[in-house]
Amino acid sequence: GIQVEQSPPDLILQEGANSTLRCNFSDSVNNLQWFHQNPWGQLINLFYIPSGTKQNGRLSATTVATERYSLLYISSSQTTDSGVYFCAGGGSGGSNYKLTFGKGTLLTVNP
Amino acid sequence: EAQVTQNPRYLITVTGKKLTVTCSQNMNHEYMSWYRQDPGLGLRQIYYSMNVEVTDKGDVPEGYKVSRKEKRNFPLILESPSPNQTSLYFCASSITPFSGGAINEQFFGPGTRLTVL
Repeated sequence: GIQVEQSPPDLILQEGANSTLRCNFSDSVNNLQWFHQNPWGQLINLFYIPSGTKQNGRLSATTVATERYSLLYISSSQTTDSGVYFCAGGGSGGSNYKLTFGKGTLLTVNP
Repeated sequence: EAQVTQNPRYLITVTGKKLTVTCSQNMNHEYMSWYRQDPGLGLRQIYYSMNVEVTDKGDVPEGYKVSRKEKRNFPLILESPSPNQTSLYFCASSITPFSGGAINEQFFGPGTRLTVL
């Protein structure tokens, strides 16, 4: 199956700093999505981004499908951005409806 | 309010005692899925369903059963739970284009923390 690798595994920032999280896939993926899990365990969808670039406030994401990677940018980080960020994607053909997650990036934003 | 609900939120049980975790969504979504989350392993898909009576295995289906008799409900059944099924479980749903295209944005339930002694 598809392998999903996220980097870095851990990241510590001071409030106000910018960061880039990366997600690499072993094969072509569809359905690429980014999620945030807050410290209370709640999972929120950030972006559905199979290709191209999207922005939502201080967050933006870019997926380069031909090179099998996606980037999540966080600008002017805030303490509420802390948590784990996951990317996930599905394969093609018969496995198009399976979703494989990376192990996540644990982000800590200090005041 | 659009949401995915799971019950129970917390459950402690013993090995071999059958249990069901319910999942319900009120968004008329076609696609529903179950995941388990374990430290260091991220989220892994257990089963998913494309529509009523259509289910398929994810990456870790062993020891689990599902059913999709109604569009809104997708229960997860552990016929004979074992300690290695102690985990945090999430149900999710998303709308899927009628054309059978890709999974769209996933909405997650609040999670069920299961402990099997």
